[in-house]
Amino acid sequence: QVQLQESGPGLVKPSGTLSLTCAVSGGSISSYNWWNWVRQPPGKGLEWIGEIFHNGDTNYNASLKSRVSISVDKSKNQFSLTLTSVTVADTAVYYCARGFYYGSGCYHDSWGQGLLVTVSS
Amino acid sequence: EIVLTQSPGTLSLSPGERATLSCRASQSVSSTYLAWYQQKPGQAPRLLIYGASSRATGIPDRFSGSGSGTDFTLTISRLEPEDFAVYYCQQYGSSSYTFGQGTKLEIK
Repeated sequence: QVQLQESGPGLVKPSGTLSLTCAVSGGSISSYNWWNWVRQPPGKGLEWIGEIFHNGDTNYNASLKSRVSISVDKSKNQFSLTLTSVTVADTAVYYCARGFYYGSGCYHDSWGQGLLVTVSS
Repeated sequence: EIVLTQSPGTLSLSPGERATLSCRASQSVSSTYLAWYQQKPGQAPRLLIYGASSRATGIPDRFSGSGSGTDFTLTISRLEPEDFAVYYCQQYGSSSYTFGQGTKLEIK
């Protein structure tokens, strides 16, 4: 069964850059899946950030598109998130998740445990 | 962007009762791309229902989904203690996902 694990700094300064990595184990990142980032501000709901396919194709949330980049490293079986010009509003638990095809639809069926990232000086 | 509105915000029920959670979309959503997730405190979300009505692997049959167009429903037929959690609906469209704001199912 595929497992995902987020890693990266838990504290980022305002106006700085948030960089996280998701390591995939138990399966290949080159399989027919999309690899996603989702975040959740403390006490609030879920927000989809974006996704990447192993060939480098990406889709992003329009509200974050100007600040977000997702990349994949097939040699390390991992993918990464970069979010620039962060503010306190970017404080959240960041999850990585696999988008798996069930029939015609793609759903987030495996998730990492989540990593709290706080934006503060 | 399609907005999903879930109701009620909080639902207070007792174990053994039936729970009905609603998800309404601001415009029509393909049933193929509608899902429900369960999230417990301190945990990642878990996929329950995909394609509006299909249960994900390992999900008990007391969970069922229905609906089409702009109105979708998650039903839990007989609540177990472990079912008290927050539930989110999600839709996919135009290469983007959106989530509802969530319904908190709490013990009465």
